[in-house]
Amino acid sequence: DTAVSQTPKYLVTQMGNDKSIKCEQNLGHDTMYWYKQDSKKFLKIMFSYNNKELIINETVPNRFSPKSPDKAHLNLHINSLELGDSAVYFCASSHRLAGGLNSYEQYFGPGTRLTVT
Amino acid sequence: GQSLEQPSEVTAVEGAIVQINCTYQTSGFYGLSWYQQHDGGAPTFLSYNALDGLEETGRFSSFLSRSDSYGYLLLQELQMKDSASYFCAPHSGGYQKVTFGIGTKLQVIP
Repeated sequence: DTAVSQTPKYLVTQMGNDKSIKCEQNLGHDTMYWYKQDSKKFLKIMFSYNNKELIINETVPNRFSPKSPDKAHLNLHINSLELGDSAVYFCASSHRLAGGLNSYEQYFGPGTRLTVT
Repeated sequence: GQSLEQPSEVTAVEGAIVQINCTYQTSGFYGLSWYQQHDGGAPTFLSYNALDGLEETGRFSSFLSRSDSYGYLLLQELQMKDSASYFCAPHSGGYQKVTFGIGTKLQVIP
């Protein structure tokens, strides 16, 4: 069974369009993340949610809006897509330990390769 | 501020040992993770050091010196399948944000 899944795997779209990427985890984790990896392999955190609450919000254009309908799902909606948004987007999850800290191990989904033309 | 440095590329021979170094400047530092990512794949967790010293997991070992803000990943008995990018990733802050950076591309040659 897939632990962290993302759809779609590939997404090709034109500048100015709006698109969404979906993520689901069946690990029972409390915390989920979105990362962006550019063409140089630079991997950077964008957002993190714990039990549907936004806890990390890096400097990301407000065209990017995450939504967590429940703790097993974290979706990413992108408005007015730009060429620079082309990247691989990874969803990840981790378990939250007693005391409020996250378990150190994050489980990544397979990634969504977004190409904006 | 925050900074993270590791070599961009390393080449090593199959069967040999290679060490990938990492230096960081991270406020609110908790610990250091290492992840492996094959081309076209997702990052996968290798190890985590919260305390100073060496952690060993099979052919892979990871070291941390908190006072030096330094760590390394040691890969022994290199195999061709170890060719991948390796990210050192410091954890920081109350929610343990993980910073990944650009990683080190390891090429194992016959």
